[in-house]
Amino acid sequence: SQKIEQNSEALNIQEGKTATLTCNYTNYSPAYLQWYRQDPGRGPVFLLLIRENEKEKRKERLKVTFDTTLKQSLFHITASQPADSATYLCAPKIFSGGYNKLIFGAGTRLAVHP
Amino acid sequence: NAGVTQTPKFQVLKTGQSMTLQCAQDMNHEYMSWYRQDPGMGLRLIHYSVGAGITDQGEVPNGYNVSRSTTEDFPLRLLSAAPSQTSVYFCASSYSNINYGYTFGSGTRLTVV
Repeated sequence: SQKIEQNSEALNIQEGKTATLTCNYTNYSPAYLQWYRQDPGRGPVFLLLIRENEKEKRKERLKVTFDTTLKQSLFHITASQPADSATYLCAPKIFSGGYNKLIFGAGTRLAVHP
Repeated sequence: NAGVTQTPKFQVLKTGQSMTLQCAQDMNHEYMSWYRQDPGMGLRLIHYSVGAGITDQGEVPNGYNVSRSTTEDFPLRLLSAAPSQTSVYFCASSYSNINYGYTFGSGTRLTVV
């Protein structure tokens, strides 16, 4: 069956360090993948989109990699800050039933401590 | 520019009642979708629409209906509420369902007793 796996345990890191979150998927061949941030009680907010031929994408302190051979995406936040504390969702875009659809992982909660 | 607006923010229903969750966007987005979010699970797609007059089912469509008579509005109807439909519901829109991020509403927290 198709599955998206993100670390279910919270990731705790010290301020200033680099946070790395993992997204693994099985039985998909997504043309691209998106990452979202979600704060408690709020809707997800779009961060980055990476295409299968891009391998790596950067936006300010954020970096995303996409390895279609390993079926894995890594999401990095450099020089992390307490304000980066949130849940981060991985979402491959799949083509099914004639349309593109965004399928979400359960997310990984990041806690950045001062 | 309000983005995606969902109403109500909170709702309690009794089993068997029906209701409509409203979703409106003012960005002229063609693509709209409804997700539900339950603890420990990813957002699950209920229904989606690629344009006015076109809707289709997602992963968990049973018990829900949608329509898309205008580009701006995409209401979600619960036909006969069940406790299993207790969840947080998010509406999302996008310029296209290809190559663009989604804009989400702030959600509707629904409890069915």
